[in-house]
This record gives sequence, structure tokens and C-alpha cells, in this order.
Amino acid sequence: GESVGLHLPTLSVQEGDNSIINCAYSNSASDYFIWYKQESGKGPQFIIDIRSNMDKRQGQRVTVLLNKTVKHLSLQIAATQPGDSAVYFCAEINTGGFKTIFGAGTRLFVKA
Amino acid sequence: NAGVTQTPKFQVLKTGQSMTLQCAQDMNHEYMSWYRQDPGMGLRLIHYSVGAGITDQGEVPNGYNVSRSTTEDFPLRLLSAAPSQTSVYFCASSYARNEQFFGPGTRLTVL
Repeated sequence: GESVGLHLPTLSVQEGDNSIINCAYSNSASDYFIWYKQESGKGPQFIIDIRSNMDKRQGQRVTVLLNKTVKHLSLQIAATQPGDSAVYFCAEINTGGFKTIFGAGTRLFVKA
Repeated sequence: NAGVTQTPKFQVLKTGQSMTLQCAQDMNHEYMSWYRQDPGMGLRLIHYSVGAGITDQGEVPNGYNVSRSTTEDFPLRLLSAAPSQTSVYFCASSYARNEQFFGPGTRLTVL
């Protein structure tokens, strides 16, 4: 069936380093791929998205890369800060639809 | 703007009881949805709505009902609570398909 998964359940990085969070997806018919950040005790917060006709999109300190050949999505965070510590979810939306399928999440720890 | 609000924040039910989780948004968003999040897992879509009067099922709809009589409100009803419905419930709204705004969640325990 359709699934969105993550390669690493936890990631620990030093403050100031770059972080890379990876995600695999299986539905080739998805047209939106999205990254959300969830801090402890809060609801998820939208970070950045990318459409299926793009392979890279940049935001403020974040970059999302999409490789449709291998069905892989990644989130790069530049100069990681303690405030970046959270669980990060990738998600996909089926083409023309509304159902958003979330992956299991990666917990990012930032060491000061 | 208050954004997306959810009530109650915490709830304990006994097996078989029914209740309604409330969700409201003041951003005039057409799209609203309900998710559940179990410990250490991602979010699973329960039901969603693309506008007042229009609802549809998500991944895990069994045991839940929804209605959308106004743009602002999207309540989730548990018909007969079961321990398997112990979870954190999130409501979200959006003006487009991609960027959803989430509420703070309701922590539900069913004994």
C-alpha cells in the first residue's frame, strides 16, 4: 500500500552543523511532499513543501530535495540551532486529492 | 487570530462512553481534517472536509463521525469509546492542499 517512511529514527548533531533528515516514499502518484516540525507537546508546524515537478526548493536555512528516480526526499537544515530540536515528519499528498500521508518521524537532537 | 483551537485539552473516558472533540478555526479555511497520533508514530488521517457540508473518510475512520455545518467548526464524535482510541487527536485547517495549520491537540485516554 501507500507509505511514507524514514531511514533514521533519531539524529544527533552539534550546534552549528548541518542536519540532513531523509525520507522514502512509495506512491509515485503524489504531487506534493511536505516537511513538518513537531515540538514536544505541540501540534505539527509546516516547514517547507515541494511539488513533484521540482527537485529542489530552498527556504530560510532549510532545503528540500526530491529524487523521484529513487523515491527519496530529504530535508537539510543549515547551521542547526538548539531551537531546531524536534521531531520532523515527511508527508505526501496524492495527486489532485487531499489525503495527507505522514511518515513515522525523525527526532533531531541538537547538542550545544 | 486564534488560529486552530481544540477543546478539551485532556479527556478520560470509560469504554463505551461517547463524546465530541471540538475544533474551530478563524482563518476562513475551506479544508479541515482530524488526525490521531499514537506514541512514537506519525499522524494518521481520520476524516477530512473540503468545505461546509462535505466530508470524507481518511485512513482510520472506523469508530468516528464528523460533520461540517459551518466553515469554522469541525467536531469529531467518538460513538462508543474503546481503549484502542487512546491517542492524541489533532485538528488541522488549510486554505490549500499543502500547508496545514494544526491545533494544540486533545489527549484522550479510554479506560
